[in-house]
Amino acid sequence: DGGITQSPKYLFRKEGQNVTLSCEQNLNHDAMYWYRQDPGQGLRLIYYSQIVNDFQKGDIAEGYSVSREKKESFPLTVTSAQKNPTAFYLCASSDGLGAGYGYTFGSGTRLTVV
Amino acid sequence: QKEVEQNSGPLSVPEGAIASLNCTYSDRGSQSFFWYRQYSGKSPELIMSIYSNGDKEDGRFTAQLNKASQYVSLLIRDSQPSDSATYLCAVTEYGNKLVFGAGTILRVKS
Repeated sequence: DGGITQSPKYLFRKEGQNVTLSCEQNLNHDAMYWYRQDPGQGLRLIYYSQIVNDFQKGDIAEGYSVSREKKESFPLTVTSAQKNPTAFYLCASSDGLGAGYGYTFGSGTRLTVV
Repeated sequence: QKEVEQNSGPLSVPEGAIASLNCTYSDRGSQSFFWYRQYSGKSPELIMSIYSNGDKEDGRFTAQLNKASQYVSLLIRDSQPSDSATYLCAVTEYGNKLVFGAGTILRVKS
């Protein structure tokens, strides 16, 4: 079945540590996105990529980095510069918002600082 | 910063009633509008999309769009306890991406 796989489901980060969240899709979608969700809040855009080897900052990119070396993969690194990384991280992909297809989301990674 | 506003709720309705969820947006250039349902601890799932003024029906769900008033709504007929969730409104923004509202919590009481 086609879909988006995020791993791990739960991740614990120590102070000063960089961690990488994985996102893989087999939907053949060109566009991929990373959002962060905090309790009681909506989704905030971190980074997005419309095509391989290209990506743009979203509204809250500070302290995060991404790469898009393959169409299927869009990993997110949470660096030590991100001071409050505890949140629910969602990866999504799209085949074209204008056509009304919306996003397909992965199951999410819950990151906690310990 | 483009904004999407939703009443946070919770909106409580009895089983079998109609639930009405509302959303306003600030960007007049937005073209497509989406409603997602999110259960606690889970990722959002798409339930409706709309891009033309008027109503769009899919089963028990009806999305309504009024671009002049910058308003989009979701009606859920014959509400069921399984409809209890957070409903997120999302609006397209220039650059092929979505801006999300904070969501409305819906509780359907049996």
